[in-house]
Amino acid sequence: ETGVTQTPRHLVMGMTNKKSLKCEQHLGHNAMYWYKQSAKKPLELMFVYNFKEQTENNSVPSRFSPECPNSSHLFLHLHTLQPEDSALYLCASSQDKGGGADTQYFGPGTRLTVL
Amino acid sequence: GQNIDQPTEMTATEGAIVQINCTYQTSGFNGLFWYQQHAGEAPTFLSYNVLDGLEEKGRFSSFLSRSKGYSYLLLKELQMKDSASYLCAALDSNYQLIWGAGTKLIIKP
Repeated sequence: ETGVTQTPRHLVMGMTNKKSLKCEQHLGHNAMYWYKQSAKKPLELMFVYNFKEQTENNSVPSRFSPECPNSSHLFLHLHTLQPEDSALYLCASSQDKGGGADTQYFGPGTRLTVL
Repeated sequence: GQNIDQPTEMTATEGAIVQINCTYQTSGFNGLFWYQQHAGEAPTFLSYNVLDGLEEKGRFSSFLSRSKGYSYLLLKELQMKDSASYLCAALDSNYQLIWGAGTKLIIKP
């Protein structure tokens, strides 16, 4: 238990569906992250929020839309996804963004399958 | 470009020692992380090195050579529960983590 929770753990959706992934951290951290993890590939950073402000968007398609209502919660809204978007989506948090020892703590992930 | 290289898969025997290597090329450098990830679970933090040398934490040690762009994770007295993927990640000059694809470690009895 890392103090970061994600729901749902598994999600199957059609290409026309709209769904949302939720992340909550109980660590009092200020920075939150969304990553995509595909088999045998490095973790791909998607979005970063620091003190609720989005600080990075790594050329992610607009069918992925993040939302950070407060420092403890992060959402990833999904719509009109493609089969190649099937992956494990990981949320992480760290005390700050930009510090030298900015250890990230990960949630268990949402395994997404797009049919 | 920025790049992290680590072996895709390694096999070792229970009770033995294994060394997982990682080489990195980044724009600037602010430290190197190792994470462990069991199948279907979250990556968990193992170590952070920013200065040259070896840091020991129980059965796990991590080494860094900044001049060579090289790190390794050393696991001693291997246990079956050490079967997992080990992720290497370097922090660049913008404090962005550059991740390797991970090394899958298989422990055999």
